[in-house]
Amino acid sequence: AQKITQTQPGMFVQEKEAVTLDCTYDTSDQSYGLFWYKQPSSGEMIFLIYQGSYDEQNATEGRYSLNFQKARKSANLVISASQLGDSAMYFCAMREANTGFQKLVFGTGTRLLVSP
Amino acid sequence: NAGVTQTPKFQVLKTGQSMTLQCAQDMNHEYMSWYRQDPGMGLRLIHYSVGAGITDQGEVPNGYNVSRSTTEDFPLRLLSAAPSQTSVYFCASSYEFAGEETQYFGPGTRLLVL
Repeated sequence: AQKITQTQPGMFVQEKEAVTLDCTYDTSDQSYGLFWYKQPSSGEMIFLIYQGSYDEQNATEGRYSLNFQKARKSANLVISASQLGDSAMYFCAMREANTGFQKLVFGTGTRLLVSP
Repeated sequence: NAGVTQTPKFQVLKTGQSMTLQCAQDMNHEYMSWYRQDPGMGLRLIHYSVGAGITDQGEVPNGYNVSRSTTEDFPLRLLSAAPSQTSVYFCASSYEFAGEETQYFGPGTRLLVL
């Protein structure tokens, strides 16, 4: 069963607007972590934001925020005031239960295109 | 700090050849891992290490070997390359502190097996 689902293969947004990238997850563990990574066309994986399952506040990092709805098992990424440089692939990932090593399970990604 | 470095950046192999993808990190991270990225499938874990001398299999380990003789280095060996191993390979290192964590990825190695 797929553990991370990103249902939007592609998203378009105009510069300076906000955009939400969807991510739902499936786990029976009580302790887990959720990540978002950005992959520009150059190929590197850039860490954006992290949310722990016990964190009561939604994580924020600059223009990025994570809309964490635990009961719905969703962890959507919100990018405010989009910039042209935000055009990239975005991956949602989950760390499974505390195993000592943080195995990440990735979704299939969403390609975001920001237009002028 | 250089972070996580990978060599080579690009490699072409013939079926049956062997090679080693190099990965090094200078952040003194305990954990290191290898992922492969195929189109439309996100990243999948190949092997990982929780410290020098300790390795374990991930989701897709077949056809790959790893070893971890030092904290800094975590090479990935392809024993007998197959076209199905054409992919982009990412090495990552990570740590956990006060309940927070992140994984730092290298720039990737693009491998083409003919």
